[in-house]
Amino acid sequence: ENVLTQSPGTLSLSPGERATLSCRASQSVTSSYLVWHQQKPGQAPRLLIYGASSRATGIPDRFSGSGSGTDFTLTISRLEPEDFAVYYCQQFGSPPYTFGQGTKLEIK
Amino acid sequence: QVQLVQSGAEVKKPGASVKVSCKASGYTFINYYMHWVRQAPGQGLEWMGKINPSVNTTSYAQKFQGRVTLTRDTSTSTVSMEMSSLRSEDTAVYYCATVIPPAWGQGTLVTVSS
Repeated sequence: ENVLTQSPGTLSLSPGERATLSCRASQSVTSSYLVWHQQKPGQAPRLLIYGASSRATGIPDRFSGSGSGTDFTLTISRLEPEDFAVYYCQQFGSPPYTFGQGTKLEIK
Repeated sequence: QVQLVQSGAEVKKPGASVKVSCKASGYTFINYYMHWVRQAPGQGLEWMGKINPSVNTTSYAQKFQGRVTLTRDTSTSTVSMEMSSLRSEDTAVYYCATVIPPAWGQGTLVTVSS
């Protein structure tokens, strides 16, 4: 199976700062099949980015995705208080459609 | 708007089965795959399987093959996930989700306890 490794495990930043989250796959992923989800405590996840770089409807433009092959990045340009959450990457290129272990973005 | 509404929480004994439903609205149900994902307490997300509602084909993660069955009812735009031979390690929140259009159900807590 395609193992996704996210780094860092925890990221401590302040509102207004820029966040860069990494997702590395053990096998190449077609960009069309890489997504990012956000999950806040006690809530269901929410899809932010699909196709590695396309924002889902209603997602603010401070969220952007990039990357190809085995290395993908989620960037939040200026952190808002509501952005502090856990972020997961997921690949749909080949089943099982694995998730990364998550990056917890916490307030510094 | 797109909505996935799941059935309520369940408490089951080890060895029993559970069936969780997910009713879709706001989009053409048969056009898009439905996925199931679970999350054990304090843990990450785990993909379980998917169903193509149009042709009723399924695909499961090897870990769940033979123990999980996904079915759909096109008349009610509902997908169900049934898991058998439950054990304590299956205690988790179970989610249905679509990627296109992007949506997650609210989650259903399944507790397995004697």
